Amino acid sequence: DAKTTQPPSMDCAEGRAANLPCNHSTISGNEYVYWYRQIHSQGPQYIIHGLKNNETNEMASLIITEDRKSSTLILPHATLRDTAVYYCIVRVGNDMRFGAGTRLTVKP
Amino acid sequence: GAGVSQTPSNKVTEKGKYVELRCDPISGHTALYWYRQSLGQGPEFLIYFQGTGAADDSGLPNDRFFAVRPEGSVSTLKIQRTERGDSAVYLCASSPNRASGKGPGEQYFGPGTRLTVT
Repeated sequence: DAKTTQPPSMDCAEGRAANLPCNHSTISGNEYVYWYRQIHSQGPQYIIHGLKNNETNEMASLIITEDRKSSTLILPHATLRDTAVYYCIVRVGNDMRFGAGTRLTVKP
Repeated sequence: GAGVSQTPSNKVTEKGKYVELRCDPISGHTALYWYRQSLGQGPEFLIYFQGTGAADDSGLPNDRFFAVRPEGSVSTLKIQRTERGDSAVYLCASSPNRASGKGPGEQYFGPGTRLTVT
């Protein structure tokens, strides 16, 4: 069973911020939150990960709530090339289990 | 540098035949993973190697599936007596050693091999 819950689909206007939510209410203290995305016909691509502090890199920001039961991936200025399925995963070891993810469609 | 490569990119085989799928990980990555992805679903974990040994093969669906990594680099996923239900995209990923205190290493995925069993 997946440890995360994500909405099946979301739309976002090009140039606007895309905020993708993820619930992980059963996360344990040593589990990290990872985000990957998969563009059509490609392998998944790593985006960002965090434990409890907010994280930012050149692709995105990750906001984790204080109780760590949910998180939000933020793409600050979405482009058409960000259209993909986004997966939120919690993991502590090398085990990585994907759920169904959120299909983000960026519209012009 | 070169990413993870997988060959062939597409494989069509008849039911009952044997197939081998190859994965070339990123040079120096000690961990290697195989996943299977059916249409409309997320990748499903199959097996994980640390070096030459299979550290976790709990995702292999049955004994028709087997994977090897004899020299700790290239890996081959082998499927015997293929069935139509084996049709899927088979993904390989590799990962560097886990950095202390920074969580499990991120996985770098190849483009996958699309297997079609007719």
